[in-house]
Amino acid sequence: EVQLVESGGGLVQPGGSLRLSCAASGFTFSSYWMHWVRQAPGKGLVWVSRINSDGSSTSYADSVKGRFTISRDNAKNTLYLQMNSLRAEDTAVYYCARAPSVVDYWGQGTLVTVSS
Amino acid sequence: EIVLTQSPDFQSVTPKEKVTITCRASQSIGSSLHWYQQKPDQSPKLLIKYASQSISGVPSRFSGSGSGTDFTLTINSLEAEDAAAYYCHQSSSLPLTFGQGTRLEIK
Repeated sequence: EVQLVESGGGLVQPGGSLRLSCAASGFTFSSYWMHWVRQAPGKGLVWVSRINSDGSSTSYADSVKGRFTISRDNAKNTLYLQMNSLRAEDTAVYYCARAPSVVDYWGQGTLVTVSS
Repeated sequence: EIVLTQSPDFQSVTPKEKVTITCRASQSIGSSLHWYQQKPDQSPKLLIKYASQSISGVPSRFSGSGSGTDFTLTINSLEAEDAAAYYCHQSSSLPLTFGQGTRLEIK
């Protein structure tokens, strides 16, 4: 069974940093591209970032470029999102998702709240 | 950036009714359009990929059609468990984008 379990969310002050993790199991993690997608409270889905299967290629939404860094450790079956210079508008549930060609499985999400 | 516009934003429907949700892309995306269902307090679930391809385990009452810029998700014989938000999503070009969502309420 495919499982994606996010962790690392919480309350952080504006300008602060947070690192999210996503532990994957039930599939060959190193074979899949992975994504982060976020959803502000009561709002829609917004793509944040993606990384290819070996970690050599990454892409970001303009809203997070230069502040967020996606990475992965295939030996640990774990995806990461390092978030720096956080803003109030980054407040959201952050989902990691698997993408063989299209995003097919999503984790349960972890809530990040940016507030003073 | 490719903008996806869904209609309607909200629909209140009765069980067994047929529902149609549309998604229009701001430029042609071929068949790189996918549909997700998100129930309250749950993560999204893939319903249809590449405009019309079915997904294992998804009830057959869900179907998709379209290509280019105009796409449709159809739910035949709606059931109470279909109360959810539905999102279209394009994977044709970066940045990946989603429609604003359509919320279905069951009367």
